[in-house]
Amino acid sequence: DQQVKQNSPSLSVQEGRISILNCDYTNSMFDYFLWYKKYPAEGPTFLISISSIKDKNEDGRFTVFLNKSAKHLSLHIVPSQPGDSAVYFCAASDGTDKLIFGTGTRLQVFP
Amino acid sequence: GAGVSQSPSNKVTEKGKDVELRCDPISGHTALYWYRQSLGQGLEFLIYFQGNSAPDKSGLPSDRFSAERTGGSVSTLTIQRTQQEDSAVYLCASSLGGTTSGNTIYFGEGSWLTVV
Repeated sequence: DQQVKQNSPSLSVQEGRISILNCDYTNSMFDYFLWYKKYPAEGPTFLISISSIKDKNEDGRFTVFLNKSAKHLSLHIVPSQPGDSAVYFCAASDGTDKLIFGTGTRLQVFP
Repeated sequence: GAGVSQSPSNKVTEKGKDVELRCDPISGHTALYWYRQSLGQGLEFLIYFQGNSAPDKSGLPSDRFSAERTGGSVSTLTIQRTQQEDSAVYLCASSLGGTTSGNTIYFGEGSWLTVV
């Protein structure tokens, strides 16, 4: 049973426009959410996180929104840049110190 | 080193052989995780070590998989009698503490295992 779902395997966005990556979860006990970015042949790197007591967290061009009632979070990147092209993983903490990851969304930003 | 170090970076092995994958976490990090990513799949949790506590082995897919962490630092993931479905990238990560405390986990570059 996939507790963290990223239903869009890929997304293509023009440079300068907004990229919106979505993530849904099923476990209401999740209380901490993170986004990781992965380039080919590299390990995932931490991007941004949000606690369940907040509904928005912003860091430069990256903003994460959390809708607890809908069990949905999203990552907004604006403006998108070609260097943002990577696979983005959504992850959630289930209170047991391990992260549950989604299957990832491949973002391609074209000029 | 500055980051999580894993070895080997690539390993090709014959079906039925045993393999060992090594992870050196970031110095001072008490928590260590193993994940794997099969082709087209997300990151699958395998095992978690935190300090001297008993490890959380709930993600290990079968008894052919085991891991240990010696001296609270280096960890070895062992896969016995490898099968083709074990082919994946095995990722190690470490953090200062558990994620419930808001700690970020940092990943290594992974060990690419191919079972032929």
